[in-house]
Amino acid sequence: QLQLQESGPGLVKPSETLSLTCAVSGGSISSSTYFWGWIRQPPGKGLEWIGSVYYSGSTHYNPSLKSRANISVDTPKNQFSMKLNSVTAADTAVYYCARQVGLGSVDVWGQGTTVTVSS
Amino acid sequence: IVLTQSPGTLSLSPGERATLSCTASQSVSSNYLAWYQQKPGQAPRLLIYGASSRATGIPDRFSGSGSGTDFTLTIIRLEPEDFAVYYCQQYGSSPITFGQGTRLEIK
Repeated sequence: QLQLQESGPGLVKPSETLSLTCAVSGGSISSSTYFWGWIRQPPGKGLEWIGSVYYSGSTHYNPSLKSRANISVDTPKNQFSMKLNSVTAADTAVYYCARQVGLGSVDVWGQGTTVTVSS
Repeated sequence: IVLTQSPGTLSLSPGERATLSCTASQSVSSNYLAWYQQKPGQAPRLLIYGASSRATGIPDRFSGSGSGTDFTLTIIRLEPEDFAVYYCQQYGSSPITFGQGTRLEIK
């Protein structure tokens, strides 16, 4: 059974870069069927798609992040990562990594990791 | 595409039928619409994809319908574990977007 596990700092200072990694276990990140994405949820609010990466390295992003996000894949390590630069308090959220069928619905979610932006 | 879910909160009793709506600001390509259930402190869980296909392991009391701009999630015979927040998501156009959620609470 495929599992996803996020890792990274829980506290980031304003204007700095938020970096998270998602380890994939129980399956290969190199499957042609799936994209690997990041989705976030601010406290008490709804879900926002950040972006997704294919095993080849091809990426798609939400324009609302104004080019602050960068998602990459590391196939030998079976993991993918996200960097979000110039963070502000508005970036405080639970960040989920996810497996998407095509660039579509999310059939596997990580447990989520809470990131707080504060000095 | 902006997705608007209604109602914001739905209060029902176990055994009753729930009808949740998701309206898109423009037509969702190929009916690429999904529904998720989220309980407190947990990640969302995929219920429905392609507007009407149940995901693996989802009970048949959950069903999805609709096309174009209007979609519905129906839950018949509510069980205690069904009380949660439900989100719709469209993936027919980029960027992928989610609705704001409907909270299904016990009456």
